[in-house]
Amino acid sequence: NAGVTQTPKFQVLKTGQSMTLQCAQDMNHEYMSWYRQDPGMGLRLIHYSVGAGITDQGEVPNGYNVSRSTTEDFPLRLLSAAPSQTSVYFCASSYSASGLADTQYFGPGTRLTVL
Amino acid sequence: DQQVKQNSPSLSVQEGRISILNCDYTNSMFDYFLWYKKYPAEGPTFLISISSIKDKNEDGRFTVFLNKSAKHLSLHIVPSQPGDSAVYFCAASSGNDMRFGAGTRLTVKP
Repeated sequence: NAGVTQTPKFQVLKTGQSMTLQCAQDMNHEYMSWYRQDPGMGLRLIHYSVGAGITDQGEVPNGYNVSRSTTEDFPLRLLSAAPSQTSVYFCASSYSASGLADTQYFGPGTRLTVL
Repeated sequence: DQQVKQNSPSLSVQEGRISILNCDYTNSMFDYFLWYKKYPAEGPTFLISISSIKDKNEDGRFTVFLNKSAKHLSLHIVPSQPGDSAVYFCAASSGNDMRFGAGTRLTVKP
């Protein structure tokens, strides 16, 4: 089991560029989520999914899109990057669709810098 | 607004002693609380959790205490070991809403 994998590990973008952060899990988990971590702010929930074809917004969804076409993959898209999106992004998954009340397994993170 | 607060950015303790990490929350709707541990360049890993119907949960060296009236929880690590040095995040959830504290960096000195 690879667990939760994220690519790339590091990325530098220019303002206005678009990109997709990839996240995959091989644990057959129903629930997947994206967080961003900023200094002094802890982790903040961006978007989450309780199963294939179902997504919803978290605490800070603006500027990000997600889709969930398979159980395994949950990509995060930045359509027009802004310096305020400079952060470390973590993907997580858990077994139950109740999601947040279960143990979440986190990926290693993607460090994104927007110039 | 920060609904979950960890007011101590850092904590240093001697190996073998007790480490106490604190967390306060403001939203009385939170019904499940978790602690995660994070090493540099890695994702957070789950440590221990507690439901709002309990006031204590223990797992080996780790114990979490919940005081609902004070909206306060704490993580006790006894005895502390150098390998426990990491950033510890407190989290609270209600339905699909999960909020994290800013973290406390624990350093355990040999």
